[in-house]
Amino acid sequence: GNSVTQMEGPVTLSEEAFLTINCTYTATGYPSLFWYVQYPGEGLQLLLKATKADDKGSNKGFEATYRKETTSFHLEKGSVQVSDSAVYFCALSANTGFQKLVFGTGTRLLVSP
Amino acid sequence: DVKVTQSSRYLVKRTGEKVFLECVQDMDHENMFWYRQDPGLGLRLIYFSYDVKMKEKGDIPEGYSVSREKKERFSLILESASTNQTSMYLCASSSPSGRGDNEQFFGPGTRLTVL
Repeated sequence: GNSVTQMEGPVTLSEEAFLTINCTYTATGYPSLFWYVQYPGEGLQLLLKATKADDKGSNKGFEATYRKETTSFHLEKGSVQVSDSAVYFCALSANTGFQKLVFGTGTRLLVSP
Repeated sequence: DVKVTQSSRYLVKRTGEKVFLECVQDMDHENMFWYRQDPGLGLRLIYFSYDVKMKEKGDIPEGYSVSREKKERFSLILESASTNQTSMYLCASSSPSGRGDNEQFFGPGTRLTVL
Protein backbone atom coordinates (compact mmCIF):
# COMPACT_ATOMS: atom_id res chain seq x y z
CA GLY A 1 0.00 0.00 0.00
CA ASN A 2 0.90 3.66 -0.03
CA SER A 3 3.16 4.97 2.69
CA VAL A 4 5.27 7.97 3.69
CA THR A 5 8.49 7.91 5.69
CA GLN A 6 9.97 11.04 7.17
CA MET A 7 12.90 11.67 9.42
CA GLU A 8 12.38 11.48 13.14
CA GLY A 9 12.73 14.57 15.21
CA PRO A 10 13.09 16.72 16.94
CA VAL A 11 15.23 18.78 14.65
CA THR A 12 16.88 21.53 16.68
CA LEU A 13 18.38 24.53 14.87
CA SER A 14 19.54 28.01 15.59
CA GLU A 15 17.85 30.94 13.91
CA GLU A 16 19.05 31.52 10.31
CA ALA A 17 20.30 27.94 9.93
CA PHE A 18 19.52 25.84 6.85
CA LEU A 19 16.72 23.31 7.21
CA THR A 20 16.19 19.97 5.52
CA ILE A 21 13.50 17.49 6.53
CA ASN A 22 13.66 14.28 4.54
CA CYS A 23 10.56 12.57 3.16
CA THR A 24 10.33 9.49 0.97
CA TYR A 25 7.23 7.72 -0.25
CA THR A 26 5.94 4.45 -1.63
CA ALA A 27 2.98 4.61 -3.96
CA THR A 28 1.57 3.11 -7.10
CA GLY A 29 1.00 5.45 -9.99
CA TYR A 30 1.62 9.17 -9.72
CA PRO A 31 0.57 10.59 -6.35
CA SER A 32 0.33 14.25 -5.38
CA LEU A 33 2.69 15.20 -2.56
CA PHE A 34 2.15 17.67 0.27
CA TRP A 35 3.78 19.26 3.27
CA TYR A 36 1.46 20.28 6.07
CA VAL A 37 2.52 22.23 9.15
CA GLN A 38 1.01 22.18 12.63
CA TYR A 39 1.80 25.12 14.89
CA PRO A 40 1.40 24.63 18.65
CA GLY A 41 -2.23 24.29 19.68
CA GLU A 42 -3.55 24.40 16.13
CA GLY A 43 -4.75 22.06 13.41
CA LEU A 44 -2.73 21.30 10.31
CA GLN A 45 -2.46 23.74 7.44
CA LEU A 46 -1.12 23.22 3.96
CA LEU A 47 2.42 24.54 3.50
CA LEU A 48 3.08 23.49 -0.09
CA LYS A 49 2.33 20.80 -2.64
CA ALA A 50 3.49 19.30 -5.93
CA THR A 51 1.38 17.27 -8.29
CA LYS A 52 3.80 15.79 -10.80
CA ALA A 53 7.42 14.78 -11.19
CA ASP A 54 9.98 17.63 -11.09
CA ASP A 55 7.38 20.10 -9.81
CA LYS A 56 8.65 22.40 -7.07
CA GLY A 57 6.24 23.56 -4.40
CA SER A 58 7.14 26.70 -2.47
CA ASN A 59 5.64 28.92 0.21
CA LYS A 60 6.92 31.20 3.00
CA GLY A 61 10.54 30.47 2.02
CA PHE A 62 10.05 26.70 2.15
CA GLU A 63 10.60 24.55 -0.94
CA ALA A 64 10.24 20.90 -1.90
CA THR A 65 10.81 19.19 -5.25
CA TYR A 66 8.92 16.09 -6.39
CA ARG A 67 11.65 13.59 -7.29
CA LYS A 68 10.14 10.50 -8.86
CA GLU A 69 13.47 8.79 -9.48
CA THR A 70 14.28 8.82 -5.76
CA THR A 71 10.62 8.84 -4.58
CA SER A 72 11.40 11.81 -2.37
CA PHE A 73 9.92 15.19 -1.45
CA HIS A 74 12.40 16.76 0.96
CA LEU A 75 11.48 20.04 2.63
CA GLU A 76 14.08 22.82 2.69
CA LYS A 77 14.40 26.37 3.90
CA GLY A 78 17.46 28.52 3.59
CA SER A 79 17.14 30.47 6.84
CA VAL A 80 14.76 29.37 9.58
CA GLN A 81 13.10 31.66 12.09
CA VAL A 82 11.89 31.03 15.63
CA SER A 83 8.35 31.31 14.28
CA ASP A 84 8.97 28.21 12.09
CA SER A 85 8.98 26.03 15.20
CA ALA A 86 6.20 23.51 14.54
CA VAL A 87 5.53 19.93 13.51
CA TYR A 88 5.87 19.22 9.79
CA PHE A 89 4.00 16.39 8.08
CA CYS A 90 4.74 14.95 4.66
CA ALA A 91 1.73 13.40 2.95
CA LEU A 92 0.62 11.88 -0.33
CA SER A 93 -2.66 11.54 -2.15
CA ALA A 94 -3.13 8.74 -4.60
CA ASN A 95 -4.99 10.97 -7.05
CA THR A 96 -8.53 9.85 -6.54
CA GLY A 97 -11.57 12.05 -6.15
CA PHE A 98 -11.86 11.10 -2.49
CA GLN A 99 -8.76 13.11 -1.58
CA LYS A 100 -7.54 10.52 0.91
CA LEU A 101 -4.21 11.55 2.41
CA VAL A 102 -1.53 9.22 3.78
CA PHE A 103 0.66 11.01 6.32
CA GLY A 104 4.15 10.49 7.63
CA THR A 105 4.73 10.46 11.37
CA GLY A 106 5.67 14.14 11.57
CA THR A 107 8.92 15.92 12.38
CA ARG A 108 9.10 18.47 15.16
CA LEU A 109 11.29 21.50 14.41
CA LEU A 110 12.61 23.62 17.26
CA VAL A 111 14.33 26.88 16.36
CA SER A 112 16.18 28.79 19.06
CA PRO A 113 17.15 32.49 18.90
CA ASP B 1 -12.05 33.41 6.59
CA VAL B 2 -12.74 29.75 5.85
CA LYS B 3 -13.22 27.57 8.86
CA VAL B 4 -13.49 24.10 10.21
CA THR B 5 -14.69 24.10 13.79
CA GLN B 6 -14.81 21.28 16.31
CA SER B 7 -17.21 21.23 19.23
CA SER B 8 -14.64 20.88 22.01
CA ARG B 9 -10.91 21.48 22.41
CA TYR B 10 -10.66 19.18 25.43
CA LEU B 11 -12.91 16.35 26.54
CA VAL B 12 -12.68 13.89 29.42
CA LYS B 13 -14.90 10.81 29.39
CA ARG B 14 -15.22 7.54 31.30
CA THR B 15 -14.68 4.08 29.90
CA GLY B 16 -17.88 2.75 28.36
CA GLU B 17 -19.45 6.16 27.71
CA LYS B 18 -20.83 7.04 24.30
CA VAL B 19 -18.91 10.02 22.94
CA PHE B 20 -19.87 12.43 20.18
CA LEU B 21 -17.32 14.65 18.45
CA GLU B 22 -18.81 17.27 16.17
CA CYS B 23 -17.25 19.03 13.20
CA VAL B 24 -18.70 21.86 11.12
CA GLN B 25 -17.25 23.46 7.97
CA ASP B 26 -18.43 26.62 6.25
CA MET B 27 -16.81 26.07 2.84
CA ASP B 28 -19.54 23.97 1.23
CA HIS B 29 -17.08 21.09 0.86
CA GLU B 30 -18.29 17.69 -0.26
CA ASN B 31 -15.49 15.72 1.42
CA MET B 32 -15.04 15.48 5.18
CA PHE B 33 -12.59 13.42 7.19
CA TRP B 34 -11.87 12.28 10.73
CA TYR B 35 -8.29 11.49 11.77
CA ARG B 36 -6.66 10.62 15.03
CA GLN B 37 -3.18 11.91 15.81
CA ASP B 38 -0.85 10.00 18.11
CA PRO B 39 2.84 10.59 18.86
CA GLY B 40 5.08 8.57 16.60
CA LEU B 41 2.16 7.48 14.42
CA GLY B 42 1.23 10.70 12.66
CA LEU B 43 -2.33 11.08 11.45
CA ARG B 44 -4.42 8.03 10.69
CA LEU B 45 -7.73 8.17 8.84
CA ILE B 46 -10.72 6.83 10.75
CA TYR B 47 -13.62 7.58 8.41
CA PHE B 48 -14.42 9.92 5.58
CA SER B 49 -17.53 11.10 3.77
CA TYR B 50 -17.84 12.34 0.21
CA ASP B 51 -21.51 13.36 0.36
CA VAL B 52 -24.42 13.68 2.73
CA LYS B 53 -25.31 10.32 4.26
CA MET B 54 -22.34 8.68 2.51
CA LYS B 55 -19.40 7.31 4.48
CA GLU B 56 -16.37 5.17 3.89
CA LYS B 57 -14.06 3.42 6.33
CA GLY B 58 -10.55 4.66 6.62
CA ASP B 59 -7.56 2.77 7.96
CA ILE B 60 -8.65 2.42 11.60
CA PRO B 61 -12.48 2.41 11.82
CA GLU B 62 -12.83 -0.16 14.59
CA GLY B 63 -14.64 1.22 17.62
CA TYR B 64 -15.91 4.29 15.74
CA SER B 65 -18.90 5.27 13.66
CA VAL B 66 -19.84 8.48 11.87
CA SER B 67 -22.88 10.44 10.84
CA ARG B 68 -23.36 13.02 8.12
CA GLU B 69 -26.93 14.26 7.98
CA LYS B 70 -26.08 17.71 6.61
CA LYS B 71 -23.35 18.73 4.21
CA GLU B 72 -21.61 21.03 6.66
CA ARG B 73 -21.58 18.67 9.65
CA PHE B 74 -19.69 15.43 10.22
CA SER B 75 -19.89 13.64 13.55
CA LEU B 76 -17.58 11.00 14.98
CA ILE B 77 -19.11 8.61 17.49
CA LEU B 78 -17.30 6.40 19.95
CA GLU B 79 -19.96 3.82 20.78
CA SER B 80 -18.27 2.68 24.00
CA ALA B 81 -15.17 4.66 24.81
CA SER B 82 -12.04 2.80 25.82
CA THR B 83 -8.73 4.02 27.20
CA ASN B 84 -6.93 3.21 23.94
CA GLN B 85 -9.09 5.83 22.25
CA THR B 86 -7.40 8.57 24.24
CA SER B 87 -5.98 10.73 21.46
CA MET B 88 -6.14 13.98 19.51
CA TYR B 89 -8.97 13.91 16.96
CA LEU B 90 -8.77 16.12 13.89
CA CYS B 91 -11.53 16.88 11.43
CA ALA B 92 -10.83 18.10 7.90
CA SER B 93 -12.74 19.01 4.76
CA SER B 94 -11.97 19.46 1.08
CA SER B 95 -13.59 19.89 -2.28
CA PRO B 96 -13.29 16.95 -4.66
CA SER B 97 -10.62 16.77 -7.32
CA GLY B 98 -10.08 14.09 -9.92
CA ARG B 99 -6.35 14.40 -9.31
CA GLY B 100 -6.67 14.15 -5.54
CA ASP B 101 -4.58 17.28 -5.13
CA ASN B 102 -6.91 19.69 -3.37
CA GLU B 103 -6.01 21.10 0.01
CA GLN B 104 -7.60 19.66 3.11
CA PHE B 105 -8.64 22.25 5.71
CA PHE B 106 -8.29 21.15 9.31
CA GLY B 107 -10.04 22.03 12.52
CA PRO B 108 -8.06 22.79 15.70
CA GLY B 109 -8.54 19.30 17.11
CA THR B 110 -10.23 17.74 20.14
CA ARG B 111 -8.00 16.19 22.76
CA LEU B 112 -10.00 13.32 24.21
CA THR B 113 -9.00 11.58 27.41
CA VAL B 114 -10.79 8.37 28.38
CA LEU B 115 -10.39 7.42 32.03
